[in-house]
Amino acid sequence: SAVISQKPSRDICQRGTSLTIQCQVDSQVTMMFWYRQQPGQSLTLIATANQGSEATYESGFVIDKFPISRPNLTFSTLTVSNMSPEDSSIYLCSVVVGHGYTFGSGTRLTVV
Amino acid sequence: GENVEQHPSTLSVQEGDSAVIKCTYSDSASNYFPWYKQELGKGPQLIIDIRSNVGEKKDQRIAVTLNKTAKHFSLHITETQPEDSAVYFCAASDLNAGNMLTFGGGTRLMVKP
Repeated sequence: SAVISQKPSRDICQRGTSLTIQCQVDSQVTMMFWYRQQPGQSLTLIATANQGSEATYESGFVIDKFPISRPNLTFSTLTVSNMSPEDSSIYLCSVVVGHGYTFGSGTRLTVV
Repeated sequence: GENVEQHPSTLSVQEGDSAVIKCTYSDSASNYFPWYKQELGKGPQLIIDIRSNVGEKKDQRIAVTLNKTAKHFSLHITETQPEDSAVYFCAASDLNAGNMLTFGGGTRLMVKP
């Protein structure tokens, strides 16, 4: 199975600023998924990122707020833009490899 | 798209008892059903999964059953221990198509010593 290195593991940010989260996979993967987990809630898909094309966003998520880059088959970034306290969540990336899914360790974001 | 419902949202059991968590899904194309355990401050960890061509799978104290006709699947934990206390999530996907996982709402399991 794949190993994902996700950075940063946590951050505390001022409202109105932006944070970029990185995921590096140790093998080439076609699709990468970005999830958000709000406090006490389940995981909700933000978008699906394919290499060489625009990310596909789920209802309620827009590119201006959550721009995604996918420059190659092993790397992706998610930016949380113009942050507000409501963006305080855990953000996770995930990939499909072989027989299942692998998750990054998550980025715990607190916006103050 | 897929919709996954999970019950109960909280479950409290005595140490040594069994715990059962149930999920239903809506998309008949889903063929992969994993269960994740999430401890406080950590990411979800896969504990067991099942595919649509299998009705039951067991791994020591953990088992999962799948009823494709009824579109529901369940997690069974026997001989529960305090360290089983965590939040458990079920999920579903069309893994063959490489689609994303859709998660249930989660179950907070508390095992009382």
